[in-house]
Amino acid sequence: AQSVTQLDSHVSVSEGTPVLLRCNYSSSYSPSLFWYVQHPNKGLQLLLKHTSAATLVKGINGFEAEFKKSETSFHLTKPSAHMSDAAEYFCVVRDTNFGNEKLTFGTGTRLTIIP
Amino acid sequence: EAGVTQFPSHSVIEKGQTVTLRCDPISGHDNLYWYRRVMGKEIKFLLHFVKESKQDESGMPNNRFLAERTGGTYSTLKVQPAELEDSGVYFCASSQGYQPQHFGDGTRLSIL
Repeated sequence: AQSVTQLDSHVSVSEGTPVLLRCNYSSSYSPSLFWYVQHPNKGLQLLLKHTSAATLVKGINGFEAEFKKSETSFHLTKPSAHMSDAAEYFCVVRDTNFGNEKLTFGTGTRLTIIP
Repeated sequence: EAGVTQFPSHSVIEKGQTVTLRCDPISGHDNLYWYRRVMGKEIKFLLHFVKESKQDESGMPNNRFLAERTGGTYSTLKVQPAELEDSGVYFCASSQGYQPQHFGDGTRLSIL
């Protein structure tokens, strides 16, 4: 069984300051991990994915995530927040067990950017 | 390339009525998924098609929900009869092989 825990339901940062959104996962197999973002009234957009041995994954819009197997974490970061980053972010896990391709979502973190 | 398209974007119906949601995946994508987010909860998997076959329907809540995928192209999700607890946002996603899933904008379903 797989599960995802997003440790913060809401995060507020000032524009230009760093962003940290935390995620811990649990998986019976070696998982694939993703971050998706949802802007208001929009669909889910893939930010980045981790599917290999690399520990640091770069995504779109300046976001990065660090995969730490020993801590079962996959935290999302950005050095400098922009107003357009205000959205809801989802940490997602997918088992690499072939045939089991459904995604398991965290409960989401709503990011607010303070001008 | 056109993305995943869902129709309608919003549906408001009364309890006991029937509603059909439609999803058009990205052309050439064999995998099609349905997910749902009810208010205050996480997004949850409903089912997975590979072409026209149901690969995994373990997330379907009950037999009031019926999903079909005609000819391995578009998919419909019918709720009959609708209940209050069915309100939420229904997402469709598609993928090819083991590539990441691409999501539509969702259908917001409100049951009165």
